[in-house]
Amino acid sequence: GNSVTQMEGPVTLSEEAFLTINCTYTATGYPSLFWYVQYPGEGLQLLLKATKADDKGSNKGFEATYRKETTSFHLEKGSVQVSDSAVYFCALKTAGNKLTFGGGTRVLVKP
Amino acid sequence: EAGVVQSPRYKIIEKKQPVAFWCNPISGHNTLYWYLQNLGQGPELLIRYENEEAVDDSQLPKDRFSAERLKGVDSTLKIQPAELGDSAVYLCASSLTGQGRVAAGHNEQFFGPGTRLTVL
Repeated sequence: GNSVTQMEGPVTLSEEAFLTINCTYTATGYPSLFWYVQYPGEGLQLLLKATKADDKGSNKGFEATYRKETTSFHLEKGSVQVSDSAVYFCALKTAGNKLTFGGGTRVLVKP
Repeated sequence: EAGVVQSPRYKIIEKKQPVAFWCNPISGHNTLYWYLQNLGQGPELLIRYENEEAVDDSQLPKDRFSAERLKGVDSTLKIQPAELGDSAVYLCASSLTGQGRVAAGHNEQFFGPGTRLTVL
């Protein structure tokens, strides 16, 4: 079946540090890949997505590249801010618009 | 544009009691999803509706869980009776799903803030 594995948190960083959250997946067919973010007290929000191999999704300074050869979709940001503190979820989508999520990675950015 | 609305935001009940959650999707969205999110884990799909029809309820524990979307808009998820292990966040999401050319943002799922259930 489909599955998503992402690094466990919490990840604690200082402001302006470089952030990487690893995500790998197992899926049949050709899934679309997503990163969602959940800020405290809020619902999940789509952060970025990529629909085919070698696509790069980007938003709010975050980037992730769909790597079919390594079945990965790692999230990166060059300089984090305190406001980036949240839980980040990697997910894949297959036929039927069904999302499969990873376990989430909590990121805490300290001033 | 209003997002997905869920109520209540928090609910505390004793085990064996019934509980219901309500979801109002984004206006015009034909597809509605209920997810279960256990503490420290990612959301897991419970049921998906296309208009009034439940098209995927394979992960819904049908012995105690039920859901309905009678007019193809609002939806209710019920647990009866609740068990200690049902303590979790219940998320509702909606999307505009259809055939043919997919416009930007089409099929994207928008999530509500969730209902946090605590069963004592």
